[in-house]
Amino acid sequence: AQSVSQHNHHVILSEAASLELGCNYSYGGTVNLFWYVQYPGQHLQLLLKYFSGDPLVKGIKGFEAEFIKSKFSFNLRKPSVQWSDTAEYFCAVYGGATNKLIFGTGTLLAVQP
Amino acid sequence: EAQVTQNPRYLITVTGKKLTVTCSQNMNHEYMSWYRQDPGLGLRQIYYSMNVEVTDKGDVPEGYKVSRKEKRNFPLILESPSPNQTSLYFCASSGKRNSPLHFGNGTRLTVT
Repeated sequence: AQSVSQHNHHVILSEAASLELGCNYSYGGTVNLFWYVQYPGQHLQLLLKYFSGDPLVKGIKGFEAEFIKSKFSFNLRKPSVQWSDTAEYFCAVYGGATNKLIFGTGTLLAVQP
Repeated sequence: EAQVTQNPRYLITVTGKKLTVTCSQNMNHEYMSWYRQDPGLGLRQIYYSMNVEVTDKGDVPEGYKVSRKEKRNFPLILESPSPNQTSLYFCASSGKRNSPLHFGNGTRLTVT
């Protein structure tokens, strides 16, 4: 079955630390990849997306993600996190045999000032 | 302002009492979807709609109904709510099925 895995369920960092959140998916073929962020008490918002082209994509608020096709991965990175980055982060992948959008289970990031 | 509007934001009800959560979008999107969010399970799709009068089951459709009579509206209906439907619900829309989703603000439902 198609699945999206986010291995880090809960991450705690200090301000200015670097961030990398993992996302792996289980299906081949053409995929569209997304990272969404959910700030406390709010709805999900798009951080960045990859459809084609340069596998290194830049999103809002200094976030970027790299699509590595051979590893079925789309990891999210930020060089220096801020307290305001405290949120839950969801990876989502569209594609595969069923052409469905599947979300990972989310990573809760807490940034300590 | 482009938005997806869900109502109500909070709802407490009792087992078996029918309820409807409304969802409306003003972006002329064809694709709309309902998700439930539960701790440790992420977002799971309940139902989706590709266009007016076209709806289909997602991953967890049991106990839910939807309708799409107009392009902008996609209500979620719980005919006989049960406590295992206590959750945070999100409506979302997009121009196409593989386009980025615009989410509503969520409805936190408690069924006692």
